[in-house]
Amino acid sequence: AQTVTQSQPEMSVQEAETVTLSCTYDTSESDYYLFWYKQPPSRQMILVIRQEAYKQQNATENRFSVNFQKAAKSFSLKISDSQLGDAAMYFCAYRSLYNNDMRFGAGTRLTVKP
Amino acid sequence: ETGVTQTPRHLVMGMTNKKSLKCEQHLGHNAMYWYKQSAKKPLELMFVYSLEERVENNSVPSRFSPECPNSSHLFLHLHTLQPEDSALYLCASSQDSASHSSGANVLTFGAGSRLTVL
Repeated sequence: AQTVTQSQPEMSVQEAETVTLSCTYDTSESDYYLFWYKQPPSRQMILVIRQEAYKQQNATENRFSVNFQKAAKSFSLKISDSQLGDAAMYFCAYRSLYNNDMRFGAGTRLTVKP
Repeated sequence: ETGVTQTPRHLVMGMTNKKSLKCEQHLGHNAMYWYKQSAKKPLELMFVYSLEERVENNSVPSRFSPECPNSSHLFLHLHTLQPEDSALYLCASSQDSASHSSGANVLTFGAGSRLTVL
C-alpha cells in the first residue's frame, strides 16, 4: 500500500516570506495524483494544489507551487509571500489512478508570524 | 461551505449508546468517503462508496457500520464504541476514479463531526 510521509510536524514563517513544506511518498505505480490540502482551524479541508504524475511541469496556483521530483518520490509545497490566512494544517495526499483510495500524510502545522 | 455537509458537528456518547453521523453532498459526485482524523496521525480511510456500493473497507471494527442509501447521502452508524474511537470524522465526496474528468480525483471534504466517547 502507498504511504505518505511528512517529516515536519510544525513549521513557522514570517509574514511575506517563503516557506517550503516537505512530503515524500512510496508507491510502485507509475501514474498517480498528488495533492496538498489545507485545514484551517475551522476544520474544513480544502484543496490547495494538485499534480498529475505524468506531467513533468510543476503545478502552480498563485502563491502556491510544488516541486515534484518523481524519481525521488518527493512532492514539496512552496508558499510565497506568506499571509496570516495561510496558517493551517497542511496535508500531502496520494491518490492512485486506478481506485478511489486517497492516502494522507500526518500533516504539517504552519504558523505565520506577523 | 464546500457543498459537503456533515451533522452533527459535535457528538458526545457513552460506550453503550447508538448514534449516527450523517453526510450529504449536492455536488453531483458519485463516490463518498469516511475518514477518521486523530491528533498527530495521518487521516485514516475507513470506507469508500462508489456508485452506492462499498468498494473499500480498511479493516474497520464492526462497531462502525456505514450506509449509503443514495449517491448524495452517507451515514456512519456507531454502537458500543470505545474511548479510543474519539476523533474527528470527516466525510468527503468525489467523482469516481473511473471518470476521467479533470476534477475526478479531487476530494471535497465536509467540516467534520467531532466525536467524544466517554
